[in-house]
Amino acid sequence: GAVVSQHPSRVICKSGTSVKIECRSLDFQATTMFWYRQFPKQSLMLMATSNEGSKATYEQGVEKDKFLINHASLTLSTLTVTSAHPEDSSFYICSALRRLTGGNTDTQYFGPGTRLTVL
Amino acid sequence: AQKITQTQPGMFVQEKEAVTLDCTYDTSDPSYGLFWYKQPSSGEMIFLIYQGSYDQQNATEGRYSLNFQKARKSANLVISASQLGDSAMYFCAMRERSGYSTLTFGKGTMLLVSP
Repeated sequence: GAVVSQHPSRVICKSGTSVKIECRSLDFQATTMFWYRQFPKQSLMLMATSNEGSKATYEQGVEKDKFLINHASLTLSTLTVTSAHPEDSSFYICSALRRLTGGNTDTQYFGPGTRLTVL
Repeated sequence: AQKITQTQPGMFVQEKEAVTLDCTYDTSDPSYGLFWYKQPSSGEMIFLIYQGSYDQQNATEGRYSLNFQKARKSANLVISASQLGDSAMYFCAMRERSGYSTLTFGKGTMLLVSP
């Protein structure tokens, strides 16, 4: 079953409003979560790495004031798109780092994604 | 230079046949990991299989196996006995030790399984 949940799955908002997306790890603690953006028919683009209890690390070109990330607990990270504009419309997907079952390495388990449409 | 290259934008396979999805990578890190994910039309990224750079044997998970050729820097995904539900986008990804758990993704291959 799913190990990472994401809410909402779909959101439509007006230009200028802010939207919060939640990413939760289910049944495990995730000190590290990641936020990605995906445009249609393209690959995932890493936006930021979210670490519990500390500031997120943003990738080059990603505006930290535009995309606010908060990782206040070991099971929850949030991404807030502030003053959203139509160009922010995209598929946003989060992941959480978890130890592979029976393995000695961590891997990223992804949430189901959030489709944001800004009118 | 691209770190992960998936040269096949699309692949077709008939149900019950095997299919190989290509992935080549580029890194100077001696320690790295290679991952394959499946993304159906619903959008969720589903982890399929992992291969570590020091693993002696090719990884296998059910119908999925990874043909790891270190000298060639390739990590092809083999899906045996294809099913209609295998139709999806498939992404190869790499984690380098220097990357602190971040993944670099390829552009993906769209697989269509026909009856």
